[in-house]
Amino acid sequence: AQSVTQPDIHITVSEGASLELRCNYSYGATPYLFWYVQSPGQGLQLLLKYFSGDTLVQGIKGFEAEFKRSQSSFNLRKPSVHWSDAAEYFCAVGARGGGNKLTFGTGTQLKVEL
Amino acid sequence: GAGVSQSPSNKVTEKGKDVELRCDPISGHTALYWYRQRLGQGLEFLIYFQGNSAPDKSGLPSDRFSAERTGESVSTLTIQRTQQEDSAVYLCASSLGVTPGLNTEAFFGQGTRLTVV
Repeated sequence: AQSVTQPDIHITVSEGASLELRCNYSYGATPYLFWYVQSPGQGLQLLLKYFSGDTLVQGIKGFEAEFKRSQSSFNLRKPSVHWSDAAEYFCAVGARGGGNKLTFGTGTQLKVEL
Repeated sequence: GAGVSQSPSNKVTEKGKDVELRCDPISGHTALYWYRQRLGQGLEFLIYFQGNSAPDKSGLPSDRFSAERTGESVSTLTIQRTQQEDSAVYLCASSLGVTPGLNTEAFFGQGTRLTVV
């Protein structure tokens, strides 16, 4: 069975600082990997996804993530955080051919200090 | 519509009552998903509809949970004899469907917050 671990429940960074949110997955083959953001009062929004090819993927809002097969990781990064990035971030894994039937991590709550 | 629409946005019900939650997917989206998000948790997959195929019900937690979808339109998630542990936000998502070897983005609704008292 597939699973996702997001080891950091809460992270606080200063505005303008860099950010890395960790995600480790367990899956028997090459997975589909996703990062979603959930802001208060907003639905989930897809930030980026990895299917195949280049292991460094670019997403919206200046986010990127790197797929590292050897570490079973798909960490999310942003070089300079903005106050509006404060939200909850979810990593998810999907099986090939499984559509958007995804397994989500428990989320990381990001707080941005001004 | 422009996005996935869910109703009601909030529902408070008494333990033991049945509830129905509605999802209107994006027009033209053949795939529809229901997820549950308990407080402080990630999303749990419940059920998945794809076109006219038999739904994938593998995530439904008990036989009190059921869902229907008429064609490629509205879906209803029904919870019978609600329990306090059913309290959660129920999220619906839709996508253009699945092509083997290729995935498509899922668009999520705002969810229905269900509180069982």
